Amino acid sequence: KAGVTQTPRYLIKTRGQQVTLSCSPISGHRSVSWYQQTPGQGLQFLFEYFSETQRNKGNFPGRFSGRQFSNSRSEMNVSTLELGDSALYLCASSRRTASSYNEQFFGPGTRLTVL
Amino acid sequence: ILNVEQSPQSLHVQEGDSTNFTCSFPSSNFYALHWYRWETAKSPEALFVMTLNGDEKKKGRISATLNTKEGYSYLYIKGSQPEDSATYLCAFITGNQFYFGTGTSLTVIP
Repeated sequence: KAGVTQTPRYLIKTRGQQVTLSCSPISGHRSVSWYQQTPGQGLQFLFEYFSETQRNKGNFPGRFSGRQFSNSRSEMNVSTLELGDSALYLCASSRRTASSYNEQFFGPGTRLTVL
Repeated sequence: ILNVEQSPQSLHVQEGDSTNFTCSFPSSNFYALHWYRWETAKSPEALFVMTLNGDEKKKGRISATLNTKEGYSYLYIKGSQPEDSATYLCAFITGNQFYFGTGTSLTVIP
């Protein structure tokens, strides 16, 4: 069974630009969550999409947005990039239902560098 | 902002030693606690999903316990092996939010 895939794996952008990251979940998983990891920080929760709807959102500015398509693939967009957005962005999918939180399966991540 | 704390931050043990780490979280509004292992250059891998107070889970030499009333979970590794070297993360789930600790970095010395 194919795992979670993320594209691109590495990305270099400059301040002020915008970026779109893509995540394809494991087949059958309807929940996709996005996380940011910066040096010295734990995984910071960005948001979760479940059946094309944003179900949960972390404490990030509005420059961070996402969406989920009918095939459960998800995209994350960051506009007006700042140096502090340089991080590893991980996506995770799960079989979670409306009332349970099953384990998450993580993708390999996208390493974003903002110059 | 909710705090999930893991201790110790890092740990070096000799091969064959047993070890344990702690994850502390708020004792209210508990939904679930997950443990993940994150090896360098790989993706985090789920170890355990724990939902009930008193839960004990075991996978090979690794086990975990959960105390939701006092807000902590322990992860135990019996007879550590070099391949156990990784960062171990816990995630506290509450009110549809996921909160990860900063992890415990384990190095097992052959």
